[in-house]
Amino acid sequence: QSVLTQPPSGSGTPGQRVTISCSGSSSNIGGNSVNWYQQLPGAAPKLLIYTNNQRPSGVPDRFSGSKSGTSASLAISGLQSEDEADYYCAAWDDSLKGWVFGGGTKVTVL
Amino acid sequence: EVQLVESGGGLVQPGGSLRLSCAASGFTFGIYSMNWVRQAPGKGLEWVSYISSGSSTIYNADSVKGRFTISRDNAKGSLYLQMNSLRAEDTAVYYCTRGGTGSYWSAFDYWGQGTLVTVSS
Repeated sequence: QSVLTQPPSGSGTPGQRVTISCSGSSSNIGGNSVNWYQQLPGAAPKLLIYTNNQRPSGVPDRFSGSKSGTSASLAISGLQSEDEADYYCAAWDDSLKGWVFGGGTKVTVL
Repeated sequence: EVQLVESGGGLVQPGGSLRLSCAASGFTFGIYSMNWVRQAPGKGLEWVSYISSGSSTIYNADSVKGRFTISRDNAKGSLYLQMNSLRAEDTAVYYCTRGGTGSYWSAFDYWGQGTLVTVSS
């Protein structure tokens, strides 16, 4: 049971827009930044979005993040086959004094 | 180029111990916080431990408190995780990650390739 809640799966056809939600509480998302990670099959996770909506150098602008209250979301516009991966949200939790992750969302490109 | 290379994983019996290492290169290791994050087979990510740049602040997940100890040697550019009283549920790939700085302090901006720890009799 993860502290942050994500849908287990999502899908879309090439070119479509896919959105992944991440729900938390006031002790984590409500008071701290949300970061998103992409894990391609068989690979280590990679930072995709930091501080709610910032993209590290090299991440395509098809990926965008947002946060409102105790929820956050990741959007993938113009879905491509190479976007097929697991996506995780994460945030610092003030009550737990540690980082919490969502359970992950597996995105499939149909 | 930032590189994080984990080592020390393997098969260990329940109740046993193991020490993981992470060799960092390509950046000034001593000014960054570091973390261990694990992933059980077929499962999601779980944060394990945090250590500040100068080792003055350490946080551990409740699941490993009292059993795991994180440490670092800035002179050697190395991060460690001493794991004692290992349980079957500690079986996972363990990733060494670099903590962000400034406004993105809470992000893990670089990850190693991971080392597999299997706890089984």
